Amino acid sequence: AQSVAQPEDQVNVAEGNPLTVKCTYSVSGNPYLFWYVQYPNRGLQFLLKYITGDNLVKGSYGFEAEFNKSQTSFHLKKPSALVSDSALYFCAVREGYGGATNKLIFGTGTLLAVQP
Amino acid sequence: DTAVSQTPKYLVTQMGNDKSIKCEQNLGHDTMYWYKQDSKKFLKIMFSYNNKELIINETVPNRFSPKSPDKAHLNLHINSLELGDSAVYFCASSPNAGVAEQFFGPGTRLTVL
Repeated sequence: AQSVAQPEDQVNVAEGNPLTVKCTYSVSGNPYLFWYVQYPNRGLQFLLKYITGDNLVKGSYGFEAEFNKSQTSFHLKKPSALVSDSALYFCAVREGYGGATNKLIFGTGTLLAVQP
Repeated sequence: DTAVSQTPKYLVTQMGNDKSIKCEQNLGHDTMYWYKQDSKKFLKIMFSYNNKELIINETVPNRFSPKSPDKAHLNLHINSLELGDSAVYFCASSPNAGVAEQFFGPGTRLTVL
């Protein structure tokens, strides 16, 4: 069964510094991977996805993620963190390669705290 | 213009009651979902409909019953509410049931007393 793991419950970074939020995956077949962000008391917002193609995926708000097949990782990155980036970040994998059910399996979430 | 809306935003009720949560999307999407987020922020899919047809039905107590009257609406009815049903319930939609990103509503915080 497909799964994702987010090994860090919380990541702390100073404003202006680069940030990385880690995600590793386990799938049978090719992975479809996603990152979502959840601000307090809000629904999830889509950031970016990897389906195929370039290993470096660019998304919303200056975020990007690097797909690494050998390390089965899909880490979220941003060159310069903002205080407004502070939120809960979820990595997700679509279950099933192909098929007609867009079922996402979410990680446990990583709380990003950016200090001014 | 709210893309995915849910009502109510907050729902406080007694054990044993029956309640419904409504969801509407104005994005013209074919696929809609219900998720449950527990107190530890763990997010799990419950149901999905594609063109009013149920396509995902996870291991959810049969007290939970989704209903999609049309492509733009997906409601969730819960019978005989239990303490463990307390959570935030999110509705989402996507253009199709392929690999499209999902758009989430603001959530309904259900508290069962």
